[in-house]
Amino acid sequence: DIQMTQSPSTLSASVGDRVTITCRSSQIIANWLAWYQQKPGKAPKLLIYEASTLKSGVPSRFSGSGSGTEFTLTISSLQPDDFATYYCQKYDSSSPSYTFGQGTKVEIK
Amino acid sequence: DVQLVESGGGLVQPGGSLRLSCAVSGFTVTNYYMSWVRQAPGTGLEWVSIIYSGGTTYSADSVKGRFTISRDTSENIVYLQMNSLRAEDTAIYYCARLPGTYFDSWGLGTLVTVSS
Repeated sequence: DIQMTQSPSTLSASVGDRVTITCRSSQIIANWLAWYQQKPGKAPKLLIYEASTLKSGVPSRFSGSGSGTEFTLTISSLQPDDFATYYCQKYDSSSPSYTFGQGTKVEIK
Repeated sequence: DVQLVESGGGLVQPGGSLRLSCAVSGFTVTNYYMSWVRQAPGTGLEWVSIIYSGGTTYSADSVKGRFTISRDTSENIVYLQMNSLRAEDTAIYYCARLPGTYFDSWGLGTLVTVSS
């Protein structure tokens, strides 16, 4: 099985900060990597798919990059609405399976 | 508008069974992959099962042989039949739509509690 490692698990930041979250895969997964935002008591929301494509309606301060085994989600200027937990998710065609990272909680500093 | 509405959750004893339903509107289940994803209390997301547009199904190893995903194309509903339930199956179960390799729309979830 391809393992996903998301870091950090918790991140403390202030409004206006640039924030970066990383997901590393144990094997090359092409660009089949997505990012989600989840707030307490709510369902996850898709932010980015295929590593770098921003879902329609998602603010442009969110961006995704990377390929192969290392991927990043960047929030260019953190806003009050962005304090939440973020998950990466990869697709493995060999199983097939869909695996989520462990999550990164973005907290107010 | 795309909507996914889960139902059927509740309290069940270990070893028991439960069937979850996901009623969708705004699209046809045969035109997309449909999946169940769960989240145990205070933990992260775990993919459970998927049904492809052609009807092929796959499940995570943790539920293989116990959970079965299916759909009613006339009613536009996706089901998750859960048998031999264990305490570790306690979670919020989300229904989600996939246009490809990612989940683009989610329901609000339904809580399943396995406890005696």
